[in-house]
Amino acid sequence: QITLKESGPTLVKPTQTLTLTCTFSGFSLSTSGVGVGWIRQPPGKALEWLALIYWNDDKRYSPSLKSRLTITKDTSKNQVVLTMTNMDPVDTATYYCAHSRAARGFDPWGQGTLVTVSS
Amino acid sequence: QSVLTQPPSASGTPGQRVTISCSGSSSNIGSNTVNWYQQLPGTAPKLLIYSNNQRPSGVPDRFSGSKSGTSASLAISGLQSEDEADYYCAAWDDSLNGAWVFGGGTKLTVL
Repeated sequence: QITLKESGPTLVKPTQTLTLTCTFSGFSLSTSGVGVGWIRQPPGKALEWLALIYWNDDKRYSPSLKSRLTITKDTSKNQVVLTMTNMDPVDTATYYCAHSRAARGFDPWGQGTLVTVSS
Repeated sequence: QSVLTQPPSASGTPGQRVTISCSGSSSNIGSNTVNWYQQLPGTAPKLLIYSNNQRPSGVPDRFSGSKSGTSASLAISGLQSEDEADYYCAAWDDSLNGAWVFGGGTKLTVL
């Protein structure tokens, strides 16, 4: 059974850097074809894909946020870390991590963590 | 503004069949397969359909997907009250070094 869980601060100040950790079980990020992605959802709004890291350390980023995002993996700890710089109130959202495998997209998802950006 | 276009809302009565559309372009739906996600109120999204028309295990066969050209559709037959949720389409986009793109979501109301 695959499970994922997001962790990190619930409140960050504008201009600060957000660091979120996705801890997973039930699969290995060293298995060919496997990836972990991050997706966010502002309150009452649509899903927005942020980043994806593959088993071979290939990384993809949302073109609109690429300059602010970094995704890394620690295979030994079963963790994926997402950092987002220069946080702004518009970045207030629930941030999800999810397992990814080829055309199946994202399945399953973590429970999500709400991050509020406010001074 | 989302890359994939969905109607913001849809509705139906129990037992009815409803469809939700998802429109894209040649770089996303036109070139790649489409996935659909269901998000029940207050919960994380769940994969409902992948590769245009495949159901993960556990998803009832009342849910079906199709794709034609640069558009896709999700159909729900025998509508039930527990189907009331937000539905999102998604596809890989080959432009700009590749990216996943989502639709704006459709809120389905069971009347």
